[in-house]
Order: sequence, then C-alpha cells, then structure tokens
Amino acid sequence: AQSVTQLDSQVPVFEEAPVELRCNYSSSVSVYLFWYVQYPNQGLQLLLKYLSGSTLVESINGFEAEFNKSQTSFHLRKPSVHISDTAEYFCAVSDPPMNTGFQKLVFGTGTRLLVSP
Amino acid sequence: GAGVSQSPSNKVTEKGKDVELRCDPISGHTALYWYRQSLGQGLEFLIYFQGNSAPDKSGLPSDRFSAERTGGSVSTLTIQRTQQEDSAVYLCASSYSGSSTDTQYFGPGTRLTVL
Repeated sequence: AQSVTQLDSQVPVFEEAPVELRCNYSSSVSVYLFWYVQYPNQGLQLLLKYLSGSTLVESINGFEAEFNKSQTSFHLRKPSVHISDTAEYFCAVSDPPMNTGFQKLVFGTGTRLLVSP
Repeated sequence: GAGVSQSPSNKVTEKGKDVELRCDPISGHTALYWYRQSLGQGLEFLIYFQGNSAPDKSGLPSDRFSAERTGGSVSTLTIQRTQQEDSAVYLCASSYSGSSTDTQYFGPGTRLTVL
C-alpha cells in the first residue's frame, strides 16, 4: 500500500525567506502527486499536481514542486514566502489508476508552515 | 458556483449515541469521497461514491460506520454507537468524474467530539 511521509510537522520561517517542505512517497511505480493547502479556518484546496510530463510543476502563487522518481520525492519550494502563506500543507499520492479505477488519495500527516515578520 | 458544503460544522455527542454527518457536493460532480482527519494523523480515506454506488468502502474503520448517497448528490455518513476514538474532523470531497487526473474539492469539514 502507498504511504506518504512528511517528516517536518512544523516549519517556522521568516517572511521573504526561502522554504522547502519535504515529501517522500513509498511507491516506485507510476503515481500522481499532489500538494494541498489548508489555510486557517478554511477547507483543503489543491495547490499543484504532477500527472505527467515536466517534472517541475508550479502554482499560481509562486510555489513549485519537483517530481524526483529516483528519490521518490515531491518536495514543495518557494523562494520567498509571505505571511499569507501560513497554513498547513499536505502532500498526497494517488495509487496507480489501473489499480483502483479512481483517484484514491493517500495523504501525509501535513506540515504546518509558520511565517513570521 | 457553490462549493462543497457540510453540516453540521461542529457536533458534540455522548459516547454511545448515533450521529449523522451530511455532505452536499458540487453540482454535477459524480464522484464523492469521505475522509477522516484525526489529530496528528493525515487524512484517512473512508469511502468513495460514484453516483449512488460505493465501489470502495475499504476505509470504513468498523461496521459502526456507514454511508449512503442519494440522487447522485447528497451523502450522509452515519456513525452508530459513537466511541471517543471517533472524535475527528470528517471531510467530504467531490470531483467531476472520479478520474485519476481529477481535482478533488473539499468541504470545510465536520468536527466531531465524542465525550
């Protein structure tokens, strides 16, 4: 069964500093990868996803993640964070589609990003 | 348009009571998912609906948990004889077709506290 590891439960960072949130998954077969964000008092929303093609995917608010098959990683990065980026970030992987027939997401435990002035 | 809605937003119940949690998906979405988010743990898949059918209910933790979906729309998650370990945030999500490439849209969740 798939598993996702987010080793950092909390990452404190100062505003305008770079940040990397780590995500590793267990499967070595083709998978789809996702980052979801949960802002305070809001529901989860998709930040970005990797399905195929370029291994570097970007979001509209400056985050990017790189799919690394050999290291089974999908780390999330931003070169300069804002106070408004304070949120909890969840990495997720979907089982290979031929196994389940639908998008069955397996989530990590989340990383709380705390941006301070 | 309207997003996924869930009710109630908070539910406090006594151990042993039954509870019903409701989810209204985005109109036109055929796929609906329930997840549970417990403290210190990630989101745990519970059940998947395609239309009114549940082809995968493998994540339901025990036979005290059940769910149904009617009219290809509203879904209800029922927990019978609640236990303290059932305390968690229950999240509902919907997607257009359930395809592996879909985006799942999440509701705000129902926070269940079992005393």
